Amino acid sequence: AQSVTQLDSQVPVFEEAPVELRCNYSSSVSVYLFWYVQYPNQGLQLLLKYLSGSTLVKGINGFEAEFNKSQTSFHLRKPSVHISDTAEYFCAGRKALGGYNKLIFGAGTRLAVHP
Amino acid sequence: GAVVSQHPSRVICKSGTSVKIECRSLDFQATTMFWYRQFPKKSLMLMATSNEGSKATYEQGVEKDKFLINHASLTLSTLTVTSAHPEDSSFYICSGYLVGYPNTTDTQYFGPGTRLTVL
Repeated sequence: AQSVTQLDSQVPVFEEAPVELRCNYSSSVSVYLFWYVQYPNQGLQLLLKYLSGSTLVKGINGFEAEFNKSQTSFHLRKPSVHISDTAEYFCAGRKALGGYNKLIFGAGTRLAVHP
Repeated sequence: GAVVSQHPSRVICKSGTSVKIECRSLDFQATTMFWYRQFPKKSLMLMATSNEGSKATYEQGVEKDKFLINHASLTLSTLTVTSAHPEDSSFYICSGYLVGYPNTTDTQYFGPGTRLTVL
């Protein structure tokens, strides 16, 4: 069973509209959760992370995410998107394995912002 | 802070040759580095976990004799693709694992990736 599920492979949205990218996690990963963004032909940049504490996490570029334990979700939101937000977004959870931790990635969501 | 570089950013080689990719943590010491492979429009697939001064731990299905990983120092890990073939063409990304640094606890920082094309 997949440990981190991103429910939408593609999300088209108009510029200045709000957006939500959905992510659900299973019990096989810990509740250390991350969102990364990948621009074309580049590596991944950390947007935000949840390790503990407040369930609403604010990240860079105006993004925020809310950890919801009862729904096992960690959805990413932005109230007003820009053309420059067009990219691939990955949700990830940490999995502990015998002394080290590794990230389990979702399949990714392609955010396409249109003018 | 927490910058990871990769070199080269792009490499084209002939089938049967070996290619080395370097991953460096520029402003922190990474006791653990990870190597990922990404196919077009796909997610990242973890290939191996590399700890400084010890042998890498490979994920199931990854050929350790084909993908040689060396982590000789706290700031450098290398991935060598030996006897490369066209099916090895991919985007390879490394990350450095940062533990204990203020506000960056338990976080992986990724390099910009290396595009390998085997002809």
